[in-house]
Amino acid sequence: NAGVTQTPKFRVLKTGQSMTLLCAQDMNHEYMYWYRQDPGMGLRLIHYSVGEGTTAKGEVPDGYNVSRLKKQNFLLGLESAAPSQTSVYFCASSYGGGPYEQFFGPGTRLTVL
Amino acid sequence: KQEVTQIPAALSVPEGENLVLNCSFTDSAIYNLQWFRQDPGKGLTSLLLIQSSQREQTSGRLNASLDKSSGRSTLYIAASQPGDSATYLCAVRRGNDMRFGAGTRLTVKP
Repeated sequence: NAGVTQTPKFRVLKTGQSMTLLCAQDMNHEYMYWYRQDPGMGLRLIHYSVGEGTTAKGEVPDGYNVSRLKKQNFLLGLESAAPSQTSVYFCASSYGGGPYEQFFGPGTRLTVL
Repeated sequence: KQEVTQIPAALSVPEGENLVLNCSFTDSAIYNLQWFRQDPGKGLTSLLLIQSSQREQTSGRLNASLDKSSGRSTLYIAASQPGDSATYLCAVRRGNDMRFGAGTRLTVKP
């Protein structure tokens, strides 16, 4: 039981390049989330999904797209990376919304030059 | 809009001391509050989850309390050890939204 895993662990991009971050969970959770963490700040929600085929915007969605084609995977895409997207990205999942606990992945450190 | 504040931003204590970390939030309509530990360059480790109907949770040397009416939570660490050095984050859950504080960076000196 691996929990929540993220690929890749590190990535360096040039401005304007695109990339996709992959999050996978093996806990059969319905809900999945993408957060970013910047220095001196807490995590902020980018997008989330309440089930396969659904996505919704969080607090800071601009510049990102997401897809949930399979229940166990949640992809975060950057179509044209900007230096402001340099951050650490965390994925999380939960059995449901409301009171259910979120479980976090190890994070992806992204640098955009 | 939910705002979550953690004070102090950094704390340094000698080994063996008992300590309290504070978390405050502006909107009391929450489902739960969760405390996490984050080591440098690492992910989040969940420490304690307090549902909105609960007042406190305990795990080993850790005790977390929740006072929704005043918008406050505390994390009490007993007999601190150098291995407790990390950043501690609190987060409040409302609906599908989870709001985090910026964290308290704790250093426990041998």
